Amino acid sequence: NAGVMQNPRHLVRRRGQEARLRCSPVKGHSHVYWYRQLPEEGLKFMVYLQKENIIDESGMPKERFSAEFPKEGPSILRIQQVVRGDSAAYFCASSPRTAKGEKLFFGSGTQLSVL
Amino acid sequence: GQQLNQSPQSMFIQEGEDVSMNCTSSSIFNTWLWYKQDPGEGPVLLIALYKAGELTSNGRLTAQFGITRKDSFLNISASIPSDVGIYFCAEDGNYGQNFVFGPGTRLSVLP
Repeated sequence: NAGVMQNPRHLVRRRGQEARLRCSPVKGHSHVYWYRQLPEEGLKFMVYLQKENIIDESGMPKERFSAEFPKEGPSILRIQQVVRGDSAAYFCASSPRTAKGEKLFFGSGTQLSVL
Repeated sequence: GQQLNQSPQSMFIQEGEDVSMNCTSSSIFNTWLWYKQDPGEGPVLLIALYKAGELTSNGRLTAQFGITRKDSFLNISASIPSDVGIYFCAEDGNYGQNFVFGPGTRLSVLP
């Protein structure tokens, strides 16, 4: 079984450009989470999605950031008009979200660098 | 909102020593998860706990879900150099909400 796949591993953008980060969950998992991690810091929750629905986006900035998890295809985290402060590691995780035995499985992350 | 505290923030130990770290919260939780993150990688699940008082082992790792459901500890016995990394606790307090992570304990193992 393939784990959570994120691409690209490294993404370099200039200020004002758009960044698109992709995440394919574990096969059979219908719940996807996005987290952001700054150097030497912990994981900050951004958004939680189920297929075609945003369940919780309380951790996502109101402007420039959006996320989707379509019926077909990977989940996408989109950052428009990037600024230097967006530079961070972005991790995607997936879960089967059964009634019992919740577990979260992470990808290797996308390191975004804004020049 | 929910917040988790982890202690210690960082620790330096000699190879072969045992390690103990814990995670506390002001809220009651249904699930405790312990993760390890290596540099440049995503967190990897070590142990999952689902019942108050539950004690679970995974090799040299042992974790317990506190009776009050507000804390958990992780022990590592006979540490080795590859134990180096950041250890995070995480909780899923209420089904339907996101997983919240603690700030992490940074472990360094000296040869």
